[in-house]
Amino acid sequence: AQSVAQPEDQVNVAEGNPLTVKCTYSVSGNPYLFWYVQYPNRGLQFLLKYITGDNLVKGSYGFEAEFNKSQTSFHLKKPSALVSDSALYFCAVRDSAASKLTFGTGTRLQVTL
Amino acid sequence: NAGVTQTPKFQVLKTGQSMTLQCAQDMNHEYMSWYRQDPGMGLRLIHYSVGAGITDQGEVPNGYNVSRSTTEDFPLRLLSAAPSQTSVYFCASTGTGGNTGELFFGEGSRLTVL
Repeated sequence: AQSVAQPEDQVNVAEGNPLTVKCTYSVSGNPYLFWYVQYPNRGLQFLLKYITGDNLVKGSYGFEAEFNKSQTSFHLKKPSALVSDSALYFCAVRDSAASKLTFGTGTRLQVTL
Repeated sequence: NAGVTQTPKFQVLKTGQSMTLQCAQDMNHEYMSWYRQDPGMGLRLIHYSVGAGITDQGEVPNGYNVSRSTTEDFPLRLLSAAPSQTSVYFCASTGTGGNTGELFFGEGSRLTVL
């Protein structure tokens, strides 16, 4: 069975500082990995994905994520946080042979001035 | 650009009542799914469909029914509502990317069961 862990319920960072939101995964085959963001009272929006190729994936709003196969991790990063980045972030994984996408429990990012 | 449209946005039910949450997409996506979002539990898959006439169960299917008679629509039926079904429900779809494609989400339907 596939699973995702987001070990931090909340991450606090000052505006202008780099941010990292952690994600580890477990699948039986090759992983397809995704990050989504949710603003209050809204649906989830796609940020970026890793399917194959370069381990560093760039996505929307200046976010990027690094795929690390040996550590089974897919951490979300941004070099300089903005207050407007404050939201709920979800990591998700799909086994290459599966139809279902499994989400983590989410990490709330709080960026302060 | 409508995308994925869910109705209603808010609903209050009494225990034992039935209702249908509607989901429609105008992107000709083959894959559609329903999730529920609860605090501290993330999103959990209820049911999904890989095309018209084909549905399958997710992680938490009990108490819910689905059907897929057209590519566009994927309604979620609550047969006899229970307080444990109080949640925010999201419909999502994906298209030609298949397993590699990102999901497009609706805005959500907030359901309260008293």
